[in-house]
Amino acid sequence: GAGVSQSPSNKVTEKGKDVELRCDPISGHTALYWYRQSLGQGLEFLIYFQGNSAPDKSGLPSDRFSAERTGGSVSTLTIQRTQQEDSAVYLCASSFLGVLNTGELFFGEGSRLTVL
Amino acid sequence: DAKTTQPPSMDCAEGRAANLPCNHSTISGNEYVYWYRQIHSQGPQYIIHGLKNNETNEMASLIITEDRKSSTLILPHATLRDTAVYYCIVRSRSYNTDKLIFGTGTRLQVFP
Repeated sequence: GAGVSQSPSNKVTEKGKDVELRCDPISGHTALYWYRQSLGQGLEFLIYFQGNSAPDKSGLPSDRFSAERTGGSVSTLTIQRTQQEDSAVYLCASSFLGVLNTGELFFGEGSRLTVL
Repeated sequence: DAKTTQPPSMDCAEGRAANLPCNHSTISGNEYVYWYRQIHSQGPQYIIHGLKNNETNEMASLIITEDRKSSTLILPHATLRDTAVYYCIVRSRSYNTDKLIFGTGTRLQVFP
């Protein structure tokens, strides 16, 4: 597709369950990012991928959170044993990064996670 | 840790220029200033970015002070569709990171 695609758009789960959120970046974009936005708040950085490697995962809030990227394309954010405080909109973005390029990040529409 | 501070809300009359200020007094020499906006329930939309020179594109103008400690986003002729939350952001890049550091944003309300 033309833009960043995320699925599911909405997910309701019970406390303690595992969830997987998927991101399809724009074709050819080398960099991929995950952010989290809690209700009424700004965006919080989670993790940055360059290709398949994640040189910066400093924003992941706990070891229940993990992410991977395969083939330099699709990424999956996994939250294990979900807690109510994990409820938020999870946003994915992608960008083409060259050495001197400061290309903008293109965001998807997000996956809204509700933990009951 | 947000590197930017913005007023929480602003109003603007339709057709007027909207001037949104931002303070980023701790910005480093190689960090860019980016502006994004977010219309309710949508993903953030890129507006403009700059390092030290003023920038203009089809959406807006960005004025950065000489000391780089503050900037202003200018929407020259605001429309009702410009009602959104506007985020002033510092982009931190190095060999092992690339992240946008969001603040809490300014909620701009454009009224008829």
